[in-house]
Amino acid sequence: GEDVEQSLFLSVREGDSSVINCTYTDSSSTYLYWYKQEPGAGLQLLTYIFSNMDMKQDQRLTVLLNKKDKHLSLRIADTQTGDSAIYFCAEPSGGSYIPTFGRGTSLIVHP
Amino acid sequence: DVKVTQSSRYLVKRTGEKVFLECVQDMDHENMFWYRQDPGLGLRLIYFSYDVKMKEKGDIPEGYSVSREKKERFSLILESASTNQTSMYLCASSPRTGVEQYFGPGTRLTVT
Repeated sequence: GEDVEQSLFLSVREGDSSVINCTYTDSSSTYLYWYKQEPGAGLQLLTYIFSNMDMKQDQRLTVLLNKKDKHLSLRIADTQTGDSAIYFCAEPSGGSYIPTFGRGTSLIVHP
Repeated sequence: DVKVTQSSRYLVKRTGEKVFLECVQDMDHENMFWYRQDPGLGLRLIYFSYDVKMKEKGDIPEGYSVSREKKERFSLILESASTNQTSMYLCASSPRTGVEQYFGPGTRLTVT
C-alpha cells in the first residue's frame, strides 16, 4: 500500500530557508505534489513534479526528487511570515487520480 | 477560477442528530471527495464520487454516507452524529483524470 511520511513541525526564522521533507512508497507514481493549507482554509496545490524530473524551481520554491530513495523535498527560500501554513506532500494512490496525503508539516515562521 | 463552496464554516450538533454537509463546485468536475482532517492524522478520505449517483468508499466510511444527485453537488451525511465525528471536514473536486484537487474552505463540526 501507499504511505507518505513527513515530519509534523518545522520552525524557522524569517528570512531563512525552510526545507520540508517527505518520503513516499509507490515507486510507480508519475508525479508528486505539494499542497499548502493556510490557517482556516482548504488545501491549495502549491507545486508538483513529474517523476522523470529531479528538480523543479518556481520563484522561491524548489522541489527536489530522489526517486532512488523515494524522497521528496520542498525548499522555500527567504521564508516569510506569510509562508506559515501546513504543507502536505501527496502522491497518486496506486496509479489512480486519488492522492494519498502525508500528515502535513506545520511550518512556523518567527521573527 | 474554480470555486468549491461548503454550506457552513462552523457547525455544532448534538449526539444522535442527523447532520448534512453540503458541497458545491462550479467547474463541471466529474470527481468529488469528502475528507476529514484531524491534528496529527492529516487528511483521511471518507467517500468519493466519480459521477452522478456513483460513490465509492474511502479509507474511513463508517458512520457516514453520501449523496450525489447532481454533478455539482456532493453531500456528506452523518446519520447519527457521535462525539468522535468532531472534526474538520473538507470537500474537494477534480476533473476526471486531473492531477489537481480543488478544496473548499472546510466545515468545522463539533458534536456535543
